[in-house]
Amino acid sequence: DIQMTQSPSSLSASVGDRVTITCQASQDIGNYLNWYQQKPGKAPKLLIYDASNLESGVPSRFSGSGSGTDFTFTISSLQPGDIATYYCQQYDNLPLTFGGGTKVEIK
Amino acid sequence: QVQLVESGGGVVQPGRSLRLSCAASGFTFSSYAMHWVRQAPGKGLEWVAVTSYDGSNKYYADSVKGRFTISRDNSKNTLYLQMNSLRTEDTAVYYCVRDSGYNSGWYEGGFDIWGQGTMVTVSS
Repeated sequence: DIQMTQSPSSLSASVGDRVTITCQASQDIGNYLNWYQQKPGKAPKLLIYDASNLESGVPSRFSGSGSGTDFTFTISSLQPGDIATYYCQQYDNLPLTFGGGTKVEIK
Repeated sequence: QVQLVESGGGVVQPGRSLRLSCAASGFTFSSYAMHWVRQAPGKGLEWVAVTSYDGSNKYYADSVKGRFTISRDNSKNTLYLQMNSLRTEDTAVYYCVRDSGYNSGWYEGGFDIWGQGTMVTVSS
């Protein structure tokens, strides 16, 4: 199985800050990586697909990059509504696997 | 609008069975692979199972293999998860999720539409 290691597990930042989350795969997954946002009590929402493509309707302050084993998710200017847990997910191979999540809070 | 609505969750004793259902609407259900993803209380996301658009291909996480069965009825636009021999560690919110690939064959592997989830509690 492909292990996805996400870091940090939590972070606290101020409104307007740039926030970066990393995700490392245990083997090369090309660009078969998605990023999701999950707000408390809600279902996850797809933000980024194929490592760097913004899902329709998602604000442009969200972005993703990387390929192979190392990936980065960035919020260019943190907003109060971005408080959530963010997950990476690989779809190169079954079983599909998620990173452990990063909880983003406002300082 | 595109919607997935799960039902069938509840409290069940260890070793018993439960069947979840997911009613799809607003899209051509028979053109998409479908998944179940679960989330234990306070924990992260765990993929459970996938079925191809026509139900001919299925794959399971090791944690549920041999106990859970995913199926679908395209005439009813409904996805199912039959859960047998339930364990306390199966306690979770279960999400019905649409695969991101339209007419993509077996599956693509992204999750673009999620249901609201249904809670399953396994406890004596």
